[in-house]
Amino acid sequence: GAGVSQSPSNKVTEKGKDVELRCDPISGHTALYWYRQSLGQGLEFLIYFQGNSAPDKSGLPSDRFSAERTGGSVSTLTIQRTQQEDSAVYLCASSLDLARSSYEQYFGPGTRLTVT
Amino acid sequence: AQSVSQHNHHVILSEAASLELGCNYSYGGTVNLFWYVQYPGQHLQLLLKYFSGDPLVKGIKGFEAEFIKSKFSFNLRKPSVQWSDTAEYFCAASLGSSYKLIFGSGTRLLVRP
Repeated sequence: GAGVSQSPSNKVTEKGKDVELRCDPISGHTALYWYRQSLGQGLEFLIYFQGNSAPDKSGLPSDRFSAERTGGSVSTLTIQRTQQEDSAVYLCASSLDLARSSYEQYFGPGTRLTVT
Repeated sequence: AQSVSQHNHHVILSEAASLELGCNYSYGGTVNLFWYVQYPGQHLQLLLKYFSGDPLVKGIKGFEAEFIKSKFSFNLRKPSVQWSDTAEYFCAASLGSSYKLIFGSGTRLLVRP
């Protein structure tokens, strides 16, 4: 079946502009995660959605970052007033209900964001 | 702070050599442990995972890992590597009841034919 998809695959933006990154999780997966992969910081957790529960935003680096998940499926990560340090690969992952003891996270191909 | 450490940043091996990549975590409670692989130009894929039970876990493509609680370690092994194993390998952990993955810094493996 189809895996996690993300768009765009690459995004170049000017410093100060807003960007939106999209994630389509695997059908039937109730949990959705955003991570960031950057040279200096490695892979970092950003935010997590599970069903209708309030998202866990504890990994968001600043209030310029926000995310939403509409209808329990597609998610959008928004970065306002982008800075050069926001340049990274943004990864989305999804998993089955966390009540299952052997959940695993399936990752998408990522969006490479470059802020000039 | 809770963290996952990978000791080797770059490893170069010849085909048929044995592989062991180190991974340690710093957390005294229950952990779930994972190894992910990222082949060139591809996305992260799960190699294997440990949640409970037998500490020796077997994954895809002949990989295995051993959870040693006393050493806070989860090293990845493969008895004989192939050129196609060239990739970046990430150790990750979720701590206690948390769902967040904490990743190590990754190990780039180059297998020479």
